[in-house]
Amino acid sequence: DIQMTQSPSTLSASVGDRVTITCRASQSISSWLAWYQQKPGKAPKLLIYKASSLETGVPSSFSGSGSGTEFTLTISSLQPDDFATYYCQQYNSYPRTFGQGTKVEIK
Amino acid sequence: EEQLLESGGGLVQPGGSLRLSCAASGFTFSNYAMTWVRQAPGKGLEWVSGISGSGDTTYYADSVKGRFTISRDNSKDTLYLQMNNLRGEDTAVYYCAKREGVLDVWGQGTTVTVSS
Repeated sequence: DIQMTQSPSTLSASVGDRVTITCRASQSISSWLAWYQQKPGKAPKLLIYKASSLETGVPSSFSGSGSGTEFTLTISSLQPDDFATYYCQQYNSYPRTFGQGTKVEIK
Repeated sequence: EEQLLESGGGLVQPGGSLRLSCAASGFTFSNYAMTWVRQAPGKGLEWVSGISGSGDTTYYADSVKGRFTISRDNSKDTLYLQMNNLRGEDTAVYYCAKREGVLDVWGQGTTVTVSS
């Protein structure tokens, strides 16, 4: 199975900050990576697919990059609505696997 | 609007069974593979199972293989997850999601609690 490791696990930031979350795969997944945002008590929401493609309706403040084994999700200017937990997920092979999550908290 | 609505969750004793349903609307259900993902209390997301649009091909996480069965009824636009021999570690919110790679639409989830 491909293991996905996110860092950091928790991130404290202020409104307006630039935030970067890293996701590493245990083996190459090409660009078959998605990012999701989840708020407490809610279902996850797709943000990014194919490592860097922005899902329709997602603010352009979100961006993704990377290929192979190392990927990043960047929020260029953190907004109050962005405080949430973020997950990466590989879909290169089965079983699909998620990272453990990164909680973005208010500093 | 594309929507998914799960149902069927509840409290069940260890060793018991439960069948979850996921009703789809707003898209041509049979054209899309579907997925079940779960989230234990306070934990992260875990992929559980996937099924092709026709229902011919299925995939399972090792943690549920042999106990859970994914299926679909394209005439009813409904996805199912039959869960047998349930264990405490199966306690979670279960989400259905559209597609099997990139999960672009999610239901609101249904809660399964396995406890005596």
